[in-house]
Amino acid sequence: DIQMTQSPSAMSASVGDRVTITCRASQGIANFLAWFQQKPGKVPKRLIYAASSLQSGVPSRFSGSGSGTEFTLTISSLQSEDFATYYCLQHNGYPWTFGHGTKVEIK
Amino acid sequence: EVQLVESGGGLVQPGRSLRLSCTGSGFAFGDYAMGWFRQAPGKGLEWVGFIRSKAYGGTSEYVASVKGRFTVSRDDSKSIAYLQMNSLKTEDTAVYYCIRVVMGPPWLDAFDIWGQGTMVTVSS
Repeated sequence: DIQMTQSPSAMSASVGDRVTITCRASQGIANFLAWFQQKPGKVPKRLIYAASSLQSGVPSRFSGSGSGTEFTLTISSLQSEDFATYYCLQHNGYPWTFGHGTKVEIK
Repeated sequence: EVQLVESGGGLVQPGRSLRLSCTGSGFAFGDYAMGWFRQAPGKGLEWVGFIRSKAYGGTSEYVASVKGRFTVSRDDSKSIAYLQMNSLKTEDTAVYYCIRVVMGPPWLDAFDIWGQGTMVTVSS
């Protein structure tokens, strides 16, 4: 199975901060990677697909990069509505696997 | 509006069966692979399984922990995907989400539409 190591598992940040979340795959997955945002009690929402393509309607402060084994989700200027848990998902090989999540909290 | 609506969740005893349904609307259901994810209370997300569109064979794949117990199927005439869950275990307790997976090559624009989720509780 392909393991997705996501870091950090949690972080505290302030509005306006630049936030970077990383996912490392245990083997190469090309760009078969998506990022999701989940707020408490809500359905996960896709932010990024194909590692770097922005979902329509998602603010441009969100961006994704990477290919192969190392991937990054960046929030250029954190807003209050961005406090949530973020997950990466690889779908290059079965089973599809998620990172364990990064909880972004208010400092 | 593109939408997925799940139904069929509830409380079930260990060892029993349950079938979840996922009804799609607002898009060409038969053109898409459809899948299921789950999330145990307070835990992260887990892929359960998916079924390809008929154009790509209509076959399915599963995570090891449910293989042989769960079956994903589809009825494109009704725009419904099903998750048949047999021999349920307490560790299957989770919110189950139906997902629109992907239409076709290059297989990258995936997982864009999620249902609202349905809770399955396996307990005696």
